[in-house]
Amino acid sequence: GAGVSQSPSNKVTEKGKDVELRCDPISGHTALYWYRQRLGQGLEFLIYFQGNSAPDKSGLPSDRFSAERTGESVSTLTIQRTQQEDSAVYLCASSPETANYGYTFGSGTRLTVV
Amino acid sequence: AQSVTQLDSQVPVFEEAPVELRCNYSSSVSVYLFWYVQYPNQGLQLLLKYLSGSTLVKGINGFEAEFNKSQTSFHLRKPSVHISDTAEYFCAVSGQGYQKVTFGIGTKLQVIP
Repeated sequence: GAGVSQSPSNKVTEKGKDVELRCDPISGHTALYWYRQRLGQGLEFLIYFQGNSAPDKSGLPSDRFSAERTGESVSTLTIQRTQQEDSAVYLCASSPETANYGYTFGSGTRLTVV
Repeated sequence: AQSVTQLDSQVPVFEEAPVELRCNYSSSVSVYLFWYVQYPNQGLQLLLKYLSGSTLVKGINGFEAEFNKSQTSFHLRKPSVHISDTAEYFCAVSGQGYQKVTFGIGTKLQVIP
């Protein structure tokens, strides 16, 4: 597609429920990143995929968070047993090969846990 | 390890006045530096980047930034701001051997008519 597409744009969920966020990167971009943006804070790195290599999961805050990507296509970020501190905007970005080309970001998914 | 410090969380400035948004970085390797902009209710977009070469980098919408290695800074400037420049600006750093970008906490630029 023309840009990075994220869905849903907004999600309200009850504490303890699981949620799944989707990211569709720009076609041909081999690198895909997930970041979290909490209110009043900067972007927090979560996970990075590069082609078929093992993902860099070093930013995932707990084992409730997981992400998958099939090849160089769609990625899903799953949060199990959501907590109120998970409320944030979850941003997906893609890049051709490496981050040094600059990211193209999606519009984000605003997650609210009530 | 790498990190970014944006010293000002909010910067109010009158329309047509100049502005400078400050950014300092820390990195143990050769750096690549970025400024991203987030307009209200929109996603982040790349404003400009420094990879190598000239230390003065020009970006979109009349913005420019200067890489200063001795001061470990990458301040963003515009000589005359417009109302449409009201947005949040993020400084970011990456570098050789790093596959991801580290972002600062952002600076909210408010242009006052």
